[in-house]
Amino acid sequence: EPEVTQTPSHQVTQMGQEVILRCVPISNHLYFYWYRQILGQKVEFLVSFYNNEISEKSEIFDDQFSVERPDGSNFTLKIRSTKLEDSAMYFCASSDQGEGTHEQYFGPGTRLTVT
Amino acid sequence: SQQGEEDPQALSIQEGENATMNCSYKTSINNLQWYRQNSGRGLVHLILIRSNEREKHSGRLRVTLDTSKKSSSLLITASRAADTASYFCATDEYDYKLSFGAGTTVTVRA
Repeated sequence: EPEVTQTPSHQVTQMGQEVILRCVPISNHLYFYWYRQILGQKVEFLVSFYNNEISEKSEIFDDQFSVERPDGSNFTLKIRSTKLEDSAMYFCASSDQGEGTHEQYFGPGTRLTVT
Repeated sequence: SQQGEEDPQALSIQEGENATMNCSYKTSINNLQWYRQNSGRGLVHLILIRSNEREKHSGRLRVTLDTSKKSSSLLITASRAADTASYFCATDEYDYKLSFGAGTTVTVRA
């Protein structure tokens, strides 16, 4: 069964460093998303992406964040200068139009630890 | 903003029993989805119910939706130890960005 994959599973970085989190969405999906979950808190929407552009972003997704689909399979989230409060589990998700329902399938997540 | 809120926060049941959890939300929705998360791992999609549907089944899962009360319930029948996890409802308002609740932690005792 097709699934969303994410790498790395765990990333440790120092404050101020840039990180790139990578995702490979399900191959026939056209809509891509990033969410995050700070330990013990709710899953929060960050950004959605369709047709090579951002379709929606939350207030969390400030200028430090960017997304890219560099080729036909990968979808990346870049944090330019990490802060301690960026420590969280980051989930990538993808969906297709599928009768307009947009069932979103999530990857296993990347645990980002900023020290 | 649109959010699902689950109730109860935690549930402990014996293997073989049914588990029921509820989700309430605040505004009109397009779809409501239920997810499972095992101990800090990924979110597994369980079931999606559209705003014009009232009930949906998938294996041992039964989901209901009452848009007049802005609530949904997830029933897991004949629970197993492997059902031990956190369960989240997530809603979208036609914009496909999901709003998640805080989740119900289910523990199934052998």
